[in-house]
Amino acid sequence: DAGITQSPRHKVTETGTPVTLRCHQTENHRYMYWYRQDPGHGLRLIHYSYGVKDTDKGEVSDGYSVSRSKTEDFLLTLESATSSQTSVYFCAIRQGALVDTQYFGPGTRLTVL
Amino acid sequence: QQQVKQSPQSLIVQKGGISIINCAYENTAFDYFPWYQQFPGKGPALLIAIRPDVSEKKEGRFTISFNKSAKQFSLHIMDSQPGDSATYFCAASKSNYQLIWGAGTKLIIKP
Repeated sequence: DAGITQSPRHKVTETGTPVTLRCHQTENHRYMYWYRQDPGHGLRLIHYSYGVKDTDKGEVSDGYSVSRSKTEDFLLTLESATSSQTSVYFCAIRQGALVDTQYFGPGTRLTVL
Repeated sequence: QQQVKQSPQSLIVQKGGISIINCAYENTAFDYFPWYQQFPGKGPALLIAIRPDVSEKKEGRFTISFNKSAKQFSLHIMDSQPGDSATYFCAASKSNYQLIWGAGTKLIIKP
């Protein structure tokens, strides 16, 4: 599992509240990714990081922000959750610039009521 | 140009049969084509991957066939087993940068 944990694993929240999801890795990988998974859409990249304090947007970044102050932690924040952000969120790591494979965490199921 | 189109959406195959899932892409700059397998409640896991310099790659019962001129690639699962029941995703990327994912195929192998 490449030493990736996500917390919380499940969360129910209300529209308009802020939510932070955490991805933690133990193997010092440089590249980290946040995806959301929705039926019929596969996985869509929200944001990614290529180092401490180095982040960039993916294809569905609106309404999300990220932070990476330490190599091991990549945080995804929904500033004001909406029902359209109900989804399963996956964190992934890539072991290096010359390695293609992404390894995924177990996911966080988020429900916004 | 960035899309990867995957079909079918769902597939039912008898045990011992061949499962075939297809993907098509538009961007000729893509140079890495992985297939991921996902079981319920788990994150996707890499199954097999191919680069466009080869037309086929085989790992055990799993084979990727790649047709560069048609911009298509497919996953073949030989001797399909109930344990292969999962959702399969194809993806494509350019220079190891960002994976573009297909929508997924839910595969059910009937005993």
